[in-house]
Amino acid sequence: EAQVTQNPRYLITVTGKKLTVTCSQNMNHEYMSWYRQDPGLGLRQIYYSMNVEVTDKGDVPEGYKVSRKEKRNFPLILESPSPNQTSLYFCASSPNHSSYNSPLHFGNGTRLTVT
Amino acid sequence: AQTVTQSQPEMSVQEAETVTLSCTYDTSESDYYLFWYKQPPSRQMILVIRQEAYKQQNATENRFSVNFQKAAKSFSLKISDSQLGDAAMYFCAYRAYSGAGSYQLTFGKGTKLSVIP
Repeated sequence: EAQVTQNPRYLITVTGKKLTVTCSQNMNHEYMSWYRQDPGLGLRQIYYSMNVEVTDKGDVPEGYKVSRKEKRNFPLILESPSPNQTSLYFCASSPNHSSYNSPLHFGNGTRLTVT
Repeated sequence: AQTVTQSQPEMSVQEAETVTLSCTYDTSESDYYLFWYKQPPSRQMILVIRQEAYKQQNATENRFSVNFQKAAKSFSLKISDSQLGDAAMYFCAYRAYSGAGSYQLTFGKGTKLSVIP
């Protein structure tokens, strides 16, 4: 089944403790992206990747890192999480970034709480 | 920068009735894409319908249709014969056809739709 898999689904951590949210897609998509969703703000892009070893900042990249060493994986790294990073995170992918016929496929989200 | 505005934070509709969710956007581009996504309580983001800006004809997917008014920069979603399963948060989203704006979806803040039995 074609899908974007995020893990974990829920995560509670403390301020400053490094964490990684994994994202994997099995559709051979070139484009992958991370969004965070906050009440009253909708979804905002954190980082995106056009292909292996090609990443760039979205609208809210501060406090996050990403890597794209393999086409299928695009982990989101919080080196020193803070409470303002408490949010719902989505990974998404598509065959390429611009095709109308290749809309984004979203993962099921990761609910992160930083205390 | 592009912005997407959903002016109705919450709406409700009686089962089997029709409801329209509004969305306006701001862009200087002439070619772009517009989307409506549905997010049920399961948190999944589900694509409901999409529209290419250069197409005059409004997109339709079963009970879902859009009213795309390019000059007014308006992209409303109409849900006909509302069902209990339509209860969800609905997000309007924009993506440019090319350039930096094509690398992301710009989302509105969402409209929470309740369906009354």
